[in-house]
Amino acid sequence: GENVEQHPSTLSVQEGDSAVIKCTYSDSASNYFPWYKQELGKRPQLIIDIRSNVGEKKDQRIAVTLNKTAKHFSLHITETQPEDSAVYFCAASGDSGYALNFGKGTSLLVTP
Amino acid sequence: NAGVMQNPRHLVRRRGQEARLRCSPMKGHSHVYWYRQLPEEGLKFMVYLQKENIIDESGMPKERFSAEFPKEGPSILRIQQVVRGDSAAYFCASVTEMNTEAFFGQGTRLTVV
Repeated sequence: GENVEQHPSTLSVQEGDSAVIKCTYSDSASNYFPWYKQELGKRPQLIIDIRSNVGEKKDQRIAVTLNKTAKHFSLHITETQPEDSAVYFCAASGDSGYALNFGKGTSLLVTP
Repeated sequence: NAGVMQNPRHLVRRRGQEARLRCSPMKGHSHVYWYRQLPEEGLKFMVYLQKENIIDESGMPKERFSAEFPKEGPSILRIQQVVRGDSAAYFCASVTEMNTEAFFGQGTRLTVV
């Protein structure tokens, strides 16, 4: 099955700096790559996603890039704020029949 | 749309008992995932189901764990003869047949004493 690797496992940045989280996947059939944010004690929530026919997608301070050839994708958060502190998970899946597999998560801490 | 509903939110079981976790998907969603999350760890895939069919159960432990998604009613994750190592948060997520955005429930926190 799909194997998703995520780095780093922890990331500490100062407020206003940028944060980058990177993931790789193994199954070339994967074509959907979402990112989830999980605050302490809460459910994971989708923050942005990208499909394999697109190289980059942006939503305000958040962007995701995808390199299908290298099988890696990254989350970029600019102008970080303390409320961005959470655990971020990348994931990969294919069409119906391909399970959604998650990376192990990155714990992001934004210090004022 | 009430979203993905999981119950119970918290479940305490003694070693050797059975645990039943329920998940009602969002309206219009035909597929569900179950994930296990240990404290300060990631979301470990367990099983992917559609109504009356298991699509992928490669993440399920070989013994004591089973899952179903009947034609009517919620999806059930069943853990027989629970052990302390089963203590975790169990999340359900539902998706449409297109398998895109997965919406998560609030999770069931299982504690085995």
